[in-house]
Amino acid sequence: DSGVTQTPKHLITATGQRVTLRCSPRSGDLSVYWYQQSLDQGLQFLIQYYNGEERAKGNILERFSAQQFPDLHSELNLSSLELGDSALYFCASSPPLDSQETQYFGPGTRLLVL
Amino acid sequence: AQKVTQAQTEISVVEKEDVTLDCVYETRDTTYYLFWYKQPPSGELVFLIRRNSFDEQNEISGRYSWNFQKSTSSFNFTITASQVVDSAVYFCALIKTSGTYKYIFGTGTRLKVLA
Repeated sequence: DSGVTQTPKHLITATGQRVTLRCSPRSGDLSVYWYQQSLDQGLQFLIQYYNGEERAKGNILERFSAQQFPDLHSELNLSSLELGDSALYFCASSPPLDSQETQYFGPGTRLLVL
Repeated sequence: AQKVTQAQTEISVVEKEDVTLDCVYETRDTTYYLFWYKQPPSGELVFLIRRNSFDEQNEISGRYSWNFQKSTSSFNFTITASQVVDSAVYFCALIKTSGTYKYIFGTGTRLKVLA
Protein backbone atom coordinates (compact mmCIF):
# COMPACT_ATOMS: atom_id res chain seq x y z
CA ASP A 1 0.00 0.00 0.00
CA SER A 2 1.61 3.22 -1.23
CA GLY A 3 -0.56 5.47 0.92
CA VAL A 4 -2.07 7.17 -2.13
CA THR A 5 -5.78 6.62 -2.52
CA GLN A 6 -7.88 7.00 -5.61
CA THR A 7 -11.62 6.92 -5.93
CA PRO A 8 -13.55 5.43 -7.50
CA LYS A 9 -11.76 2.23 -8.47
CA HIS A 10 -13.99 1.64 -11.44
CA LEU A 11 -16.23 3.94 -13.41
CA ILE A 12 -18.53 3.13 -16.29
CA THR A 13 -20.17 5.98 -18.11
CA ALA A 14 -21.47 7.01 -21.51
CA THR A 15 -20.04 9.17 -24.24
CA GLY A 16 -20.66 12.85 -23.72
CA GLN A 17 -20.76 12.57 -19.96
CA ARG A 18 -18.51 14.18 -17.35
CA VAL A 19 -16.72 12.41 -14.52
CA THR A 20 -14.47 13.39 -11.64
CA LEU A 21 -11.62 11.26 -10.41
CA ARG A 22 -10.25 11.90 -6.98
CA CYS A 23 -6.79 11.41 -5.53
CA SER A 24 -5.58 11.74 -1.96
CA PRO A 25 -1.80 11.93 -1.70
CA ARG A 26 0.31 10.47 1.08
CA SER A 27 0.40 12.50 4.22
CA GLY A 28 2.98 15.25 3.83
CA ASP A 29 3.38 14.93 0.09
CA LEU A 30 2.88 18.20 -1.75
CA SER A 31 3.14 17.03 -5.35
CA VAL A 32 0.40 15.22 -7.20
CA TYR A 33 0.75 13.77 -10.68
CA TRP A 34 -1.88 12.40 -13.03
CA TYR A 35 -1.22 9.78 -15.70
CA GLN A 36 -3.35 8.01 -18.26
CA GLN A 37 -2.70 4.48 -19.50
CA SER A 38 -4.63 3.20 -22.47
CA LEU A 39 -4.13 0.43 -24.99
CA ASP A 40 -3.90 2.92 -27.84
CA GLN A 41 -1.72 5.62 -26.32
CA GLY A 42 0.25 3.70 -23.73
CA LEU A 43 1.35 5.61 -20.66
CA GLN A 44 1.00 9.36 -20.78
CA PHE A 45 1.70 12.05 -18.26
CA LEU A 46 -1.18 14.46 -17.91
CA ILE A 47 -0.39 17.09 -15.30
CA GLN A 48 1.44 17.81 -12.06
CA TYR A 49 0.48 20.04 -9.15
CA TYR A 50 2.68 21.21 -6.34
CA ASN A 51 1.06 22.61 -3.22
CA GLY A 52 -1.98 23.78 -5.13
CA GLU A 53 -0.19 25.24 -8.13
CA GLU A 54 0.13 23.69 -11.56
CA ARG A 55 3.76 22.74 -12.04
CA ALA A 56 3.92 20.83 -15.29
CA LYS A 57 1.54 20.04 -18.06
CA GLY A 58 1.74 17.07 -20.37
CA ASN A 59 -0.65 15.59 -22.87
CA ILE A 60 -3.80 16.73 -21.14
CA LEU A 61 -6.71 17.38 -23.46
CA GLU A 62 -8.69 20.62 -23.27
CA ARG A 63 -11.72 18.55 -22.26
CA PHE A 64 -9.80 17.52 -19.16
CA SER A 65 -9.00 19.71 -16.21
CA ALA A 66 -7.46 19.18 -12.82
CA GLN A 67 -6.90 21.00 -9.60
CA GLN A 68 -5.28 20.50 -6.25
CA PHE A 69 -7.17 21.72 -3.22
CA PRO A 70 -5.85 23.33 -0.02
CA ASP A 71 -5.99 19.97 1.75
CA LEU A 72 -3.75 18.71 -1.10
CA HIS A 73 -6.17 16.22 -2.55
CA SER A 74 -6.57 16.49 -6.29
CA GLU A 75 -9.36 15.97 -8.76
CA LEU A 76 -9.20 15.21 -12.45
CA ASN A 77 -12.29 16.24 -14.36
CA LEU A 78 -12.99 14.60 -17.69
CA SER A 79 -15.80 16.05 -19.77
CA SER A 80 -17.47 15.37 -23.11
CA LEU A 81 -16.17 11.85 -22.77
CA GLU A 82 -15.28 9.85 -25.84
CA LEU A 83 -14.74 6.14 -26.30
CA GLY A 84 -11.01 6.79 -26.54
CA ASP A 85 -10.93 8.19 -23.02
CA SER A 86 -11.40 4.68 -21.69
CA ALA A 87 -8.23 4.07 -19.76
CA LEU A 88 -6.61 3.53 -16.42
CA TYR A 89 -5.94 6.83 -14.68
CA PHE A 90 -3.18 6.87 -12.11
CA CYS A 91 -2.40 9.45 -9.54
CA ALA A 92 0.95 9.68 -7.79
CA SER A 93 2.37 11.85 -5.07
CA SER A 94 5.88 12.75 -4.05
CA PRO A 95 7.30 14.26 -0.91
CA PRO A 96 8.98 17.65 -0.68
CA LEU A 97 12.74 17.77 -0.27
CA ASP A 98 13.20 14.38 -1.93
CA SER A 99 16.07 14.72 -4.37
CA GLN A 100 14.75 11.76 -6.33
CA GLU A 101 11.19 13.11 -6.37
CA THR A 102 10.14 9.53 -5.72
CA GLN A 103 6.60 9.01 -6.92
CA TYR A 104 4.17 6.86 -4.98
CA PHE A 105 1.32 5.65 -7.11
CA GLY A 106 -2.28 5.02 -6.26
CA PRO A 107 -4.07 1.88 -7.47
CA GLY A 108 -5.68 3.73 -10.35
CA THR A 109 -9.20 4.41 -11.53
CA ARG A 110 -10.37 2.31 -14.44
CA LEU A 111 -12.68 4.33 -16.66
CA LEU A 112 -14.84 2.68 -19.28
CA VAL A 113 -16.73 4.93 -21.67
CA LEU A 114 -19.53 3.19 -23.55
CA ALA B 1 12.15 15.70 -31.00
CA GLN B 2 12.28 13.50 -27.96
CA LYS B 3 11.86 9.76 -28.15
CA VAL B 4 12.29 6.73 -25.92
CA THR B 5 12.82 3.32 -27.46
CA GLN B 6 12.48 0.06 -25.62
CA ALA B 7 13.19 -2.33 -28.43
CA GLN B 8 12.64 -5.47 -26.38
CA THR B 9 8.92 -6.06 -26.35
CA GLU B 10 9.09 -9.19 -24.25
CA ILE B 11 11.88 -11.08 -22.52
CA SER B 12 11.68 -14.45 -20.82
CA VAL B 13 14.34 -15.68 -18.45
CA VAL B 14 14.67 -18.48 -15.98
CA GLU B 15 14.83 -17.60 -12.33
CA LYS B 16 18.29 -16.61 -11.09
CA GLU B 17 19.42 -15.46 -14.51
CA ASP B 18 20.59 -11.89 -14.94
CA VAL B 19 18.62 -9.79 -17.39
CA THR B 20 19.16 -6.36 -18.92
CA LEU B 21 16.36 -4.19 -20.19
CA ASP B 22 17.43 -1.67 -22.78
CA CYS B 23 16.32 1.94 -23.00
CA VAL B 24 17.58 4.26 -25.71
CA TYR B 25 16.49 7.86 -25.79
CA GLU B 26 16.71 10.81 -28.13
CA THR B 27 16.84 14.42 -27.09
CA ARG B 28 18.75 17.53 -28.06
CA ASP B 29 18.42 19.00 -24.62
CA THR B 30 21.30 18.97 -22.20
CA THR B 31 19.05 18.96 -19.15
CA TYR B 32 16.65 16.07 -18.77
CA TYR B 33 15.65 13.25 -16.47
CA LEU B 34 15.36 9.55 -17.08
CA PHE B 35 13.09 7.22 -15.18
CA TRP B 36 12.28 3.57 -14.83
CA TYR B 37 8.91 2.28 -13.63
CA LYS B 38 7.62 -1.21 -12.94
CA GLN B 39 4.07 -2.43 -13.53
CA PRO B 40 3.47 -5.91 -12.08
CA PRO B 41 0.59 -8.09 -13.29
CA SER B 42 -1.58 -6.62 -10.54
CA GLY B 43 -1.51 -3.35 -12.50
CA GLU B 44 -0.14 -0.80 -10.09
CA LEU B 45 2.79 1.38 -11.07
CA VAL B 46 5.97 1.45 -9.05
CA PHE B 47 8.60 4.14 -9.37
CA LEU B 48 12.09 2.65 -9.51
CA ILE B 49 14.58 5.42 -10.23
CA ARG B 50 15.09 8.95 -11.50
CA ARG B 51 18.41 10.05 -12.95
CA ASN B 52 19.31 13.54 -14.14
CA SER B 53 21.37 14.13 -17.23
CA PHE B 54 24.34 15.47 -15.30
CA ASP B 55 24.76 12.38 -13.19
CA GLU B 56 26.22 9.50 -15.15
CA GLN B 57 27.12 7.45 -12.13
CA ASN B 58 25.73 3.97 -12.20
CA GLU B 59 23.17 3.19 -9.55
CA ILE B 60 22.75 -0.03 -7.64
CA SER B 61 19.83 -0.88 -5.40
CA GLY B 62 19.89 -4.45 -4.19
CA ARG B 63 19.51 -6.70 -7.23
CA TYR B 64 18.71 -3.74 -9.47
CA SER B 65 21.29 -1.65 -11.25
CA TRP B 66 21.16 1.06 -13.84
CA ASN B 67 23.78 2.02 -16.41
CA PHE B 68 23.47 5.54 -17.79
CA GLN B 69 25.66 6.30 -20.80
CA LYS B 70 25.19 9.64 -22.48
CA SER B 71 27.61 8.66 -25.24
CA THR B 72 25.14 6.04 -26.45
CA SER B 73 21.99 7.77 -25.15
CA SER B 74 21.11 4.72 -23.13
CA PHE B 75 19.81 4.10 -19.66
CA ASN B 76 19.76 0.34 -19.25
CA PHE B 77 18.35 -1.57 -16.34
CA THR B 78 19.80 -4.84 -15.09
CA ILE B 79 18.21 -7.28 -12.69
CA THR B 80 20.68 -9.66 -11.13
CA ALA B 81 19.56 -13.11 -10.05
CA SER B 82 16.03 -12.54 -11.29
CA GLN B 83 13.06 -13.79 -9.31
CA VAL B 84 9.51 -14.64 -10.28
CA VAL B 85 8.35 -11.48 -8.47
CA ASP B 86 10.33 -9.44 -10.99
CA SER B 87 7.83 -10.44 -13.67
CA ALA B 88 6.30 -7.19 -14.81
CA VAL B 89 6.22 -4.61 -17.55
CA TYR B 90 9.03 -2.13 -17.18
CA PHE B 91 8.78 1.37 -18.60
CA CYS B 92 11.56 3.81 -19.30
CA ALA B 93 10.73 7.51 -19.55
CA LEU B 94 12.41 10.78 -20.45
CA ILE B 95 11.45 14.17 -19.08
CA LYS B 96 12.57 17.35 -20.72
CA THR B 97 12.09 20.31 -18.43
CA SER B 98 13.63 23.21 -20.36
CA GLY B 99 11.30 25.13 -22.65
CA THR B 100 8.17 23.13 -23.33
CA TYR B 101 7.79 20.42 -20.71
CA LYS B 102 7.80 16.96 -22.27
CA TYR B 103 7.33 13.60 -20.58
CA ILE B 104 7.85 10.68 -22.94
CA PHE B 105 7.33 7.05 -22.02
CA GLY B 106 8.71 4.07 -23.82
CA THR B 107 6.32 1.34 -24.85
CA GLY B 108 7.54 -0.97 -22.13
CA THR B 109 9.29 -4.31 -21.92
CA ARG B 110 7.40 -7.27 -20.54
CA LEU B 111 9.69 -9.43 -18.44
CA LYS B 112 8.66 -12.97 -17.62
CA VAL B 113 10.73 -14.77 -15.05
CA LEU B 114 10.06 -18.49 -15.11
CA ALA B 115 10.48 -20.67 -12.05
